[in-house]
Amino acid sequence: EAGVTQSPTHLIKTRGQQVTLRCSPISGHTSVYWYQQALGLGLQFLLWYDEGEERNRGNFPPRFSGRQFPNYSSELNVNALELEDSALYLCASRGKRNTIYFGEGSWLTVV
Amino acid sequence: AQRVTQPEKLLSVFKGAPVELKCNYSYSGSPELFWYVQYSRQRLQLLLRHISRESIKGFTADLNKGETSFHLKKPFAQEEDSAMYYCAPTLRNTGFQKLVFGTGTRLLVSP
Repeated sequence: EAGVTQSPTHLIKTRGQQVTLRCSPISGHTSVYWYQQALGLGLQFLLWYDEGEERNRGNFPPRFSGRQFPNYSSELNVNALELEDSALYLCASRGKRNTIYFGEGSWLTVV
Repeated sequence: AQRVTQPEKLLSVFKGAPVELKCNYSYSGSPELFWYVQYSRQRLQLLLRHISRESIKGFTADLNKGETSFHLKKPFAQEEDSAMYYCAPTLRNTGFQKLVFGTGTRLLVSP
């Protein structure tokens, strides 16, 4: 089966711009998680979507937002980009036995 | 608040030496615990879950409820074990609302 796919894989944005990252979960998975992995830091929980609804969010400002579509794919939007937003953004979906499957991530560089 | 601590950022051992990657958690409920691993140039993936009492690639992890720990162990480290390891406890009754990961421990196994 195809794994979790994310796009784009790499992108460079300027401070103040907006970015949209995309994620397609494994077929049949309804829960999608977003994490930020900044250099030297661990995985920081951003958002959790399930059945099209935002179920929980981490300690991030409101300029981090997202949504989940009827086909369970998801978008992460970050507005007013700041330099410290530079990180690897990981998407994951949850399968049987509560196993989390990760995508390869989107590398965002803010200059 | 739920919290997970991996006290070592880097653990360096020689091939054949025993390995123990520490993980401590603070939860008020009954957690389900996972270890995830990220090998170089690969995506983050599940290594093992405590509920299965399994041994994967020679690694085991015992849940110690008294000490609230879930340390990952391997009696004889191999060079291919070099990777980033993340502990991830979560509460079963929260429905995986916020799957929290530790900050990770980088294991380096030298020949």
